[in-house]
Amino acid sequence: DAKTTQPPSMDCAEGRAANLPCNHSTISGNEYVYWYRQIHSQGPQYIIHGLKNNETNEMASLIITEDRKSSTLILPHATLRDTAVYYCIVRVAGKTDSWGKLQFGAGTQVVVTP
Amino acid sequence: DARVTQTPRHKVTEMGQEVTMRCQPILGHNTVFWYRQTMMQGLELLAYFRNRAPLDDSGMPKDRFSAEMPDATLATLKIQPSEPRDSAVYFCASGPGSGELFFGEGSRLTVL
Repeated sequence: DAKTTQPPSMDCAEGRAANLPCNHSTISGNEYVYWYRQIHSQGPQYIIHGLKNNETNEMASLIITEDRKSSTLILPHATLRDTAVYYCIVRVAGKTDSWGKLQFGAGTQVVVTP
Repeated sequence: DARVTQTPRHKVTEMGQEVTMRCQPILGHNTVFWYRQTMMQGLELLAYFRNRAPLDDSGMPKDRFSAEMPDATLATLKIQPSEPRDSAVYFCASGPGSGELFFGEGSRLTVL
């Protein structure tokens, strides 16, 4: 699976949008981009995923560049409860042996401040 | 809400003892994963199953770790004998076969 690069940490003011970048320059055409987050002392939580098009759900928006070499997770109105480590992961699609397998990197520690 | 259930939540044991961690995946999910998390290594994938069959356990120390799914409602991770370096939080996750995984709250293991 393609590796990802994320900044180790970032701060965000409560109520403002948080834009979390992820670089995946070696991504293959059949690899999805997934985002998870882990709040302290809890298990990771799925946020969103996409292949080519931008995606939005109740938690966040995912913007994938046209060349798919990078993406941005957007938390539109950050709250204190969004303080967590955010992981960007690429995963191969299709029914191969790696299907469904997720490898987590170091992620970005996001701290939302009042 | 459906959730992944892990037991025990906390376990303190002495070096050399056997440790068994259990996981009840969400009903209907056909993939189950075991991860280990430490400060130094982060989240490491130990093993995963699809339709109860082990697909990949390359992340697991084979000499002391074993993972099984006796049935669709139970996954186990066993360490025998345990060592202090096994101290970590062990997470189980299940999924419907896509990349959307649902994680349990973890089992925190301390080996003295």
